[in-house]
Amino acid sequence: ELKVEQNPLFLSMQEGKNYTIYCNYSTTSDRLYWYRQDPGKSLESLFVLLSNGAVKQEGRLMASLDTKARLSTLHITAAVHDLSATYFCAVSQGIQGAQKLVFGQGTRLTINP
Amino acid sequence: DAGVTQSPTHLIKTRGQQVTLRCSPISGHKSVSWYQQVLGQGPQFIFQYYEKEERGRGNFPDRFSARQFPNYSSELNVNALLLGDSALYLCASSLGRDSEAFFGQGTRLTVV
Repeated sequence: ELKVEQNPLFLSMQEGKNYTIYCNYSTTSDRLYWYRQDPGKSLESLFVLLSNGAVKQEGRLMASLDTKARLSTLHITAAVHDLSATYFCAVSQGIQGAQKLVFGQGTRLTINP
Repeated sequence: DAGVTQSPTHLIKTRGQQVTLRCSPISGHKSVSWYQQVLGQGPQFIFQYYEKEERGRGNFPDRFSARQFPNYSSELNVNALLLGDSALYLCASSLGRDSEAFFGQGTRLTVV
């Protein structure tokens, strides 16, 4: 059974600092997603990573994928308060002719002024 | 273009009751998936429907059922509600079975 683990689960940081969220998964997959979720809201898609070595950047966020290590990272550069949210990684898995997303537990990020 | 729309946005039910949640996918999308997100956890896969047929099911009891209509909209039904069914129910639509999924705003179900 595919398992997805994120760490840390909680992260409090100051504005202007850099930090990385890690996402490990247990079996091979052909794609990995990063989502953002604000309190009481739905999931906002941030990145889709499809191949080994893939790197994508949007503003202060950069995501990478190492399929051999089964590891993805979400790096935050010079954090600002607006990035406070919960971040999920999700790995795509084929089952019974369907595709499901297996999510990590989420990383609750709080950025303090 | 409208995104994925779900209704209702909030719902309060009593234990033992039945509930129906609705989802309209993005126009042109033929696949709808349902996820349950309990507070403080990541979403858990319940079902995927593609071309009006169930294509996969997660580890949920038979109290959970769903269907997809000819216009590709979908309903999720939960019978004999338990307190533990309280969660945010998310619908995601995609072009095909293995295309990128786009999530709706969710339905917050509270069982009392």
